Amino acid sequence: DVKVTQSSRYLVKRTGEKVFLECVQDMDHENMFWYRQDPGLGLRLIYFSYDVKMKEKGDIPEGYSVSREKKERFSLILESASTNQTSMYLCASSPTSGVTYEQYFGPGTRLTVT
Amino acid sequence: AQSVTQPDIHITVSEGASLELRCNYSYGATPYLFWYVQSPGQGLQLLLKYFSGDTLVQGIKGFEAEFKRSQSSFNLRKPSVHWSDAAEYFCAVGPYTGGFKTIFGAGTRLFVKA
Repeated sequence: DVKVTQSSRYLVKRTGEKVFLECVQDMDHENMFWYRQDPGLGLRLIYFSYDVKMKEKGDIPEGYSVSREKKERFSLILESASTNQTSMYLCASSPTSGVTYEQYFGPGTRLTVT
Repeated sequence: AQSVTQPDIHITVSEGASLELRCNYSYGATPYLFWYVQSPGQGLQLLLKYFSGDTLVQGIKGFEAEFKRSQSSFNLRKPSVHWSDAAEYFCAVGPYTGGFKTIFGAGTRLFVKA
């Protein structure tokens, strides 16, 4: 089974702090994604990566950055956390070979910024 | 522009009753279509997917969905709902704007009453 893990299930940070959310997948998938989930808005793509050190902006990249130094790990960084970044963050991965566009999700990190 | 609409924010169904969750999409070509389920406190899990061929697709947990090109719809159905089906359901379509990205609907929360 594909496993996508996220470093924290719950996180509470203060405004202005630098926040790191880590995601690791164990299926050698080329593509990795970071989403933010808010009630009534579904999932919105923040960033995605299709290879090591490669990244592309999604629909709402402002206030976020990402890092992918190893194939299995994709990090989301909030450079200076703000209260409007309080949300559920979901990481996902998908393979390139045998493309089906199906994504495998981690359990999510619920981030609260106070 | 590509989009996914789930008209129902929430639905309540009695246990044992049938279920239909609606999904409409806007897409320029034949899409890849998905239904995902998110149980409370968890990430998203793929229920089923459609790429081509038979327009009625079977998924896990007794769910099925029917692709209707003329109506741009991909509705999810289950003949008899169980209390454990209470969750949030997301319809998704891909790829969009190239690459491996998918776009998600806002979700429909299913409540099951005894």
